[in-house]
Amino acid sequence: TQLLEQSPQFLSIQEGENLTVYCNSSSVFSSLQWYRQEPGEGPVLLVTVVTGGEVKKLKRLTFQFGDARKDSSLHITAAQPGDTGLYLCRNNAGKSTFGDGTTLTVKP
Amino acid sequence: NAGVTQTPKFQVLKTGQSMTLQCAQDMNHEYMSWYRQDPGMGLRLIHYSVGAGITDQGEVPNGYNVSRSTTEDFPLRLLSAAPSQTSVYFCASSYSPANYGYTFGSGTRLTVV
Repeated sequence: TQLLEQSPQFLSIQEGENLTVYCNSSSVFSSLQWYRQEPGEGPVLLVTVVTGGEVKKLKRLTFQFGDARKDSSLHITAAQPGDTGLYLCRNNAGKSTFGDGTTLTVKP
Repeated sequence: NAGVTQTPKFQVLKTGQSMTLQCAQDMNHEYMSWYRQDPGMGLRLIHYSVGAGITDQGEVPNGYNVSRSTTEDFPLRLLSAAPSQTSVYFCASSYSPANYGYTFGSGTRLTVV
């Protein structure tokens, strides 16, 4: 099973700040997905990245897939309280593996 | 569309009791999975299915059974509940996990005392 390491584990910032969270593996990803989970709910898919070096944007969220497909990052510009949640990455290969997530709190 | 429906939302069991967590989806998805989520941890795969009649074990299958008699339903059975099975359980379904990701239910919070 491919292990995914997410960092930081916890992040607390003020509204309007920028932030980046990371997902890393010692193995190559076939493709990778990012999810956001709000308290009391199941995770919701944000994006799938497939190609090394790929960059995808979703409003204020920018997702990057490393050239070697062993790491990925999620950058949020001008964070808002509505961005609060648990951000999870998932490897698409084999029996799907989720990282332990980054818990983001955006304070008004 | 109801999406993925899980019942019950909350359950308290005594050690040794058995129960079935229900999961139903109305999207005609072939892929279905059960995950458990513990504090400070991500989602760990218990069992999954790639279609009716086909199931396989995930990372943490011990103590759980599944069956997939129809495309819509994928129940998870706890055979003899243990305190270590206290967790939040999520069911998920997908048309194609690699391309479209999973749609998750809202979870069942299980406490075993």
